[in-house]
Amino acid sequence: GAGVSQSPSNKVTEKGKDVELRCDPISGHTALYWYRQRLGQGLEFLIYFQGNSAPDKSGLPSDRFSAERTGESVSTLTIQRTQQEDSAVYLCASSLDHQPQHFGDGTRLSIL
Amino acid sequence: KQEVTQIPAALSVPEGENLVLNCSFTDSAIYNLQWFRQDPGKGLTSLLLIQSSQREQTSGRLNASLDKSSGRSTLYIAASQPGDSATYLCAVDNTDKLIFGTGTRLQVFP
Repeated sequence: GAGVSQSPSNKVTEKGKDVELRCDPISGHTALYWYRQRLGQGLEFLIYFQGNSAPDKSGLPSDRFSAERTGESVSTLTIQRTQQEDSAVYLCASSLDHQPQHFGDGTRLSIL
Repeated sequence: KQEVTQIPAALSVPEGENLVLNCSFTDSAIYNLQWFRQDPGKGLTSLLLIQSSQREQTSGRLNASLDKSSGRSTLYIAASQPGDSATYLCAVDNTDKLIFGTGTRLQVFP
């Protein structure tokens, strides 16, 4: 399909392990965003990539969180030494500049 | 710091009713405002986007208005249907990232 694709759809891991989440944006979209949605809470911005510019990392909650993007293609969000409070749905979105953001179905992360 | 609030938090109505969902934001310096729908276990579906220079947008039974100076947006849903049941989120585009409200959980019963 032509939408934003995220993998895995679900991830269960033990506290302290590292996890890597993947996002394939819509082809041609220059902007890519990661958000987090904790149970019963709103979406929180994490990080934003725009073309070859330096990413806006202002939403990353701690230095355990990092993200990379290869050009205008796939992005990975890495969480090191996971904690229980990291349990959430992680959503990725892509867009053209200042156009509607298109979201993937998210990765549901559960930390035991 | 931009804050987005949505009222009501939850709404349960019989089908056929016309609905009003409210969104308010504290910083009027926005590029645009977007309304989304979120179904359980799914990502977000964009419903309407209003640029900062616009006052409203319409799509089918949905109409969204924007009053930037007062920091308010309203989503009207006409002739609601059970298939409209979902969580509705508004989000403002503030310096290239979306700031979301906590949503209105809507249930339309037959």
